[in-house]
Amino acid sequence: DTGVSQDPRHKITKRGQNVTFRCDPISEHNRLYWYRQTLGQGPEFLTYFQNEAQLEKSRLLSDRFSAERPKGSFSTLEIQRTEQGDSAMYLCASSLSPGGADTQYFGPGTRLTVL
Amino acid sequence: DAKTTQPPSMDCAEGRAANLPCNHSTISGNEYVYWYRQIHSQGPQYIIHGLKNNETNEMASLIITEDRKSSTLILPHATLRDTAVYYCIVYFNRAQKLVFGQGTRLTINP
Repeated sequence: DTGVSQDPRHKITKRGQNVTFRCDPISEHNRLYWYRQTLGQGPEFLTYFQNEAQLEKSRLLSDRFSAERPKGSFSTLEIQRTEQGDSAMYLCASSLSPGGADTQYFGPGTRLTVL
Repeated sequence: DAKTTQPPSMDCAEGRAANLPCNHSTISGNEYVYWYRQIHSQGPQYIIHGLKNNETNEMASLIITEDRKSSTLILPHATLRDTAVYYCIVYFNRAQKLVFGQGTRLTINP
């Protein structure tokens, strides 16, 4: 059983450029989550999908951010016109629901550096 | 906001049991207690969770007090690879999002 995978693992970009990250959840997991983690802080929730439907978005998800999960499998997170404040680790998690406690399993993350 | 309180840091000798406390005095009856850990520059790793009863798996044991207002994560024989930040989280599965606090930075010393 493979875990959650994320690609790329590292991304360096210049301010103003667009970037896209991909997350592949654990097979058959119907829920997928995106979190962001800045240095020295715990992860913060960004958004969540149940199958292909995006059901919740955090206020942290500005209009420069967009997430999709077109077929209810993998997901992409795009950041347009990146800013230095976007530099962070972007984490993806997945879970199976209904499934009792609905445990989320995290991927290794994509570390974004905006110069 | 995080609903848990953890000490910011702890030390433990290699081979000894590491006991990490967590206070969650406002926990609701349908909220689970979850523990994750994060080793430097990696994604959070699920450790264990519980609702009311004590739980044990291959990684750790979770002891929840009878009133559910606090819990302790026990790593029975800590190794250097257990050095990480440990997060205690109370989670209601319909909330769909985990709320992380600052966690406890556990250092295992040789």
